[in-house]
Amino acid sequence: DAGVTQSPTHLIKTRGQQVTLRCSPKSGHDTVSWYQQALGQGPQFIFQYYEEEERQRGNFPDRFSGHQFPNYSSELNVNALLLGDSALYLCASSRLAGVSNEQFFGPGTRLTVL
Amino acid sequence: GQQLNQSPQSMFIQEGEDVSMNCTSSSIFNTWLWYKQEPGEGPVLLIALYKAGELTSNGRLTAQFGITRKDSFLNISASIPSDVGIYFCAGRSGSGGSNYKLTFGKGTLLTVNP
Repeated sequence: DAGVTQSPTHLIKTRGQQVTLRCSPKSGHDTVSWYQQALGQGPQFIFQYYEEEERQRGNFPDRFSGHQFPNYSSELNVNALLLGDSALYLCASSRLAGVSNEQFFGPGTRLTVL
Repeated sequence: GQQLNQSPQSMFIQEGEDVSMNCTSSSIFNTWLWYKQEPGEGPVLLIALYKAGELTSNGRLTAQFGITRKDSFLNISASIPSDVGIYFCAGRSGSGGSNYKLTFGKGTLLTVNP
C-alpha cells in the first residue's frame, strides 16, 4: 500500500518565478492538505482540498493556490516567489469520513528560492 | 500563524532514560495528535487522542489529552537511539466527520546518547 507521494523532492527557483508541486494521496484517501514548514518550525496549514474544492484556508496570500483532480491527487502552485517562500512543503492525505480520518504526511518537497 | 506552545525545545538524554514533553494552547482542541519527524522525512503519526482525559499508549509511548482540552503530554519510556528525532504536537478543532486543519507546535528535538 503506497503512502503519500510528492514530487519533486527538491526544487531551486529564483525570485519572481512560479512553481508547481504535486501530491498523490494514500490509497483510499479523498482529502489533501498542504503545509509549509520553515526551518526550525512546525508545519503551517496552507489549505485543504476535498471533492476538487478548497474547503479551508490558512493565513497565506493568494499567491498560493491549489487544485485537486478527480483521482484525488493535488497540486500546489506558488506565484511570484519570494525568498521567504523557501521551505519544506508537505502534503497530507486523509479520508473525510470513517473511523480514523487522521492526516498522513508525504516526505515533502524542499523548495529553495534564490 | 498560530502555533502551540511546546516544551522543552530540545532534550539530550542517555539511552534508557524516560522522556516527557508537553504542549499547551490558549484554544480548546477536540483532537490532540503527536507526530515524529526525522531528517528528510515528513511527520509520522505516533498517537491520536480524541477525548478529554484520554490516556493512550503505543508501545513505549504514552500520551494524554488534558482535562481542559488545552494541553497534552507525551512520555517515552526507556529511550533507545532510534527515538532520535523531532516530536511535534498538533491540535485540531472540529468534530464528527470534520477534518479541519492541524495546528502544530514548534517541536521538541530529542537526542539520545547511546
